[in-house]
Amino acid sequence: DAKTTQPPSMDCAEGRAANLPCNHSTISGNEYVYWYRQIHSQGPQYIIHGLKNNETNEMASLIITEDRKSSTLILPHATLRDTAVYYCIVKGGESEGAQKLVFGQGTRLTINP
Amino acid sequence: KAGVTQTPRYLIKTRGQQVTLSCSPISGHRSVSWYQQTPGQGLQFLFEYFSETQRNKGNFPGRFSGRQFSNSRSEMNVSTLELGDSALYLCASRPLAGYYNEQFFGPGTRLTVL
Repeated sequence: DAKTTQPPSMDCAEGRAANLPCNHSTISGNEYVYWYRQIHSQGPQYIIHGLKNNETNEMASLIITEDRKSSTLILPHATLRDTAVYYCIVKGGESEGAQKLVFGQGTRLTINP
Repeated sequence: KAGVTQTPRYLIKTRGQQVTLSCSPISGHRSVSWYQQTPGQGLQFLFEYFSETQRNKGNFPGRFSGRQFSNSRSEMNVSTLELGDSALYLCASRPLAGYYNEQFFGPGTRLTVL
């Protein structure tokens, strides 16, 4: 699986959009970009994933550059409850029964009131 | 639908002992994975099971083992505990309908080894 690079920490004001970048310059053609977050002392929570098109769900939007070497997770209206560590993970479609997530250090996002 | 449940939530053991942690996946999910989280190493993959067979394994010593039952519930065992085994152990489940589906994590079991 390709390696990802994320800033160790970011701050964002409550109510503003939080934009979390991720670099994955060695991503290969069949690898997807996944985002998970982990609120303090809880298990990670899936947010969104995508291959090459931009994706949006009720939690966030994922913007992937055309060359797929980087992506941005957007939380459109951040709240205090979005304070968490956000992990960008690149993962291929291994065999159906052999999948694992390789977590980096993630970005610690702090939402300030 | 109930989420992934893990028992116990907290555990204190001493060096040399062994421990068994339990995970019940979301109903209908057939795959269970285990992860270890420590402040120094972060989140690391331990192993994945489905259909009662280990399908993938991370880089951990043989003291770490697991199994899965016919109802998809899983247990992991750590023998001869070391201080460095103190960690949050997370279980995740996923359905096997497709290669790219997300994993659903439980709240974890926090193991302290004294």
